Amino acid sequence: GAGVSQSPSNKVTEKGKDVELRCDPISGHTALYWYRQSLGQGLEFLIYFQGNSAPDKSGLPSDRFSAERTGGSVSTLTIQRTQQEDSAVYLCASSPDQGGRGYTFGSGTRLTVV
Amino acid sequence: TQLLEQSPQFLSIQEGENLTVYCNSSSVFSSLQWYRQEPGEGPVLLVTVVTGGEVKKLKRLTFQFGDARKDSSLHITAAQPGDTGLYLCAGARGSQGNLIFGKGTKLSVKP
Repeated sequence: GAGVSQSPSNKVTEKGKDVELRCDPISGHTALYWYRQSLGQGLEFLIYFQGNSAPDKSGLPSDRFSAERTGGSVSTLTIQRTQQEDSAVYLCASSPDQGGRGYTFGSGTRLTVV
Repeated sequence: TQLLEQSPQFLSIQEGENLTVYCNSSSVFSSLQWYRQEPGEGPVLLVTVVTGGEVKKLKRLTFQFGDARKDSSLHITAAQPGDTGLYLCAGARGSQGNLIFGKGTKLSVKP
């Protein structure tokens, strides 16, 4: 597609439920990133996929968070047993290489855990 | 500990004024990028600087990368209401794939 597409744009869920967030990157971009943006906290790195290499999961805050990327394209971020502190905007970005030349971001998914 | 410190955090100015936003670190970066983010949207890339001392201009915006590649500044001349937004700097370190972001400077330009 022309840009990075994320769905849903908004998600309200009850504490303890699982959620799945989807990211469709720009076609041909080998690198895909997930970040989390909380009020006043800036962008927090979560996970990074580069081609067929093993993902860099060093930013995932707990084992409730996981992500996969199928066929080198679409990615899904899953949060299990959601907590109120998981409420944030989850941003996905892609880049044609390792990101040194810049990311293209999606519009994000605003997750609210009630 | 925040690896990239941005200052000021908030800036409210009148249309036509000039301003400078700073991005500082004790670490060396292989490249540094500036993004602008509007409410409800993802950040949009403005510029990438790679060489120490590099200066890039984008209309009324001037970006500079420090000689030691540890800091950067963004200068806006004659600010306009359309410049309002959150300005984020982000650094790349060597072969590390992900960018490290500062917390941002929230700019408001009043007509």
